Amino acid sequence: ELKVEQNPLFLSMQEGKNYTIYCNYSTTSDRLYWYRQDPGKSLESLFVLLSNGAVKQEGRLMASLDTKARLSTLHITAAVHDLSATYFCAVARASGSRLTFGEGTQLTVNP
Amino acid sequence: DARVTQTPRHKVTEMGQEVTMRCQPILGHNTVFWYRQTMMQGLELLAYFRNRAPLDDSGMPKDRFSAEMPDATLATLKIQPSEPRDSAVYFCASGSRLAGGLYNEQFFGPGTRLTVL
Repeated sequence: ELKVEQNPLFLSMQEGKNYTIYCNYSTTSDRLYWYRQDPGKSLESLFVLLSNGAVKQEGRLMASLDTKARLSTLHITAAVHDLSATYFCAVARASGSRLTFGEGTQLTVNP
Repeated sequence: DARVTQTPRHKVTEMGQEVTMRCQPILGHNTVFWYRQTMMQGLELLAYFRNRAPLDDSGMPKDRFSAEMPDATLATLKIQPSEPRDSAVYFCASGSRLAGGLYNEQFFGPGTRLTVL
């Protein structure tokens, strides 16, 4: 059974600081996704990582994937309040459509 | 602006009543997913379809839940009879399978917030 673990689950940080969210998964996968969810809202796709060593950046967020370590990171640079949300990673089993989601990391950026 | 739509957005019902949730996937997407989100269980995949055929419904309680895709523009999730433990947000997502077997990301609808009293 594919397990996906995120840490930390709760993250409170100050504006301007940097931090990293980690996503570990238990079995071979060929793609990993990061989503953002604002309170009471739907999930918004942030990144799709398809290969070992993949790195994608959008604004203050950068995601990377290490398939050998079964680890993805979401790095936040110089956080701003607008980044406050819950971030989910999701992993697909090799050759499948089914996504398994992590528990989510609730990020709060304080002024 | 292509997006997944879901109706209703909110539903309050009494235990034992039938609930039907509808989803319109993004035009051209051939894979549709139903998820349930609760505080306790997080995001769970209930079922998914490709080209309107059910591929996996192992996450769905079979005795009361049913999912169908009567045509390419409509997916339905039905609960009969509903129970208080079914209270959750139900998301529909759609995606497309790219050539070579890789998949695009899944695009989520706004969700149906269901409360069963």
